[in-house]
Amino acid sequence: EAGVAQSPRYKIIEKRQSVAFWCNPISGHATLYWYQQILGQGPKLLIQFQNNGVVDDSQLPKDRFSAERLKGVDSTLKIQPAKLEDSAVYLCASSLARTSGSHGELFFGEGSRLTVL
Amino acid sequence: GQQVMQIPQYQHVQEGEDFTTYCNSSTTLSNIQWYKQRPGGHPVFLIQLVKSGEVKKQKRLTFQFGEAKKNSSLHITATQTTDVGTYFCAGRQTSGSRLTFGEGTQLTVNP
Repeated sequence: EAGVAQSPRYKIIEKRQSVAFWCNPISGHATLYWYQQILGQGPKLLIQFQNNGVVDDSQLPKDRFSAERLKGVDSTLKIQPAKLEDSAVYLCASSLARTSGSHGELFFGEGSRLTVL
Repeated sequence: GQQVMQIPQYQHVQEGEDFTTYCNSSTTLSNIQWYKQRPGGHPVFLIQLVKSGEVKKQKRLTFQFGEAKKNSSLHITATQTTDVGTYFCAGRQTSGSRLTFGEGTQLTVNP
């Protein structure tokens, strides 16, 4: 079974530039998550999708971050403009959970490491 | 908002020693999950606990969920060098679906 695919693996940009990350979840997984993991910290949820609807985006800095999951499959996370403090690994995860209240393990991708100079 | 705290932040042990990490939530949880992240890797699911007072074992790993469903622990017996990594707990609130991760405990094992 193919895992969660993410690209690019690494990205270096200057502050105020824009960047986009792509994620393709495991086939059949209804729930997709974007987490931000700053070095030495635990993953922090940015946004959670259930199919193509947003379940939780309360911790997404909406003035600069946006995410979409068209057709309920793959997803894109964009940062525009980037700040120095956005340097982190952006982890995409998916789970089978078919309702927002159900429980399930998360399968993570390898992550996209962003460095903002 | 919900906070999930883990202690210790770092733990260095000699191979063969035991290791325990503790997780505490500011709110009651519907379930708690544990993940392991190897250096340079991504979090990998270990286990989920749902019931109050639940205890589960995986070989040398023992997971516990507190009676009040606000705390949990992971105990590793006789650590091996393959146990190296950061262990995260992640709690899900009873009132929502967000999975909140703790800051993790980084384990190093000296051979």
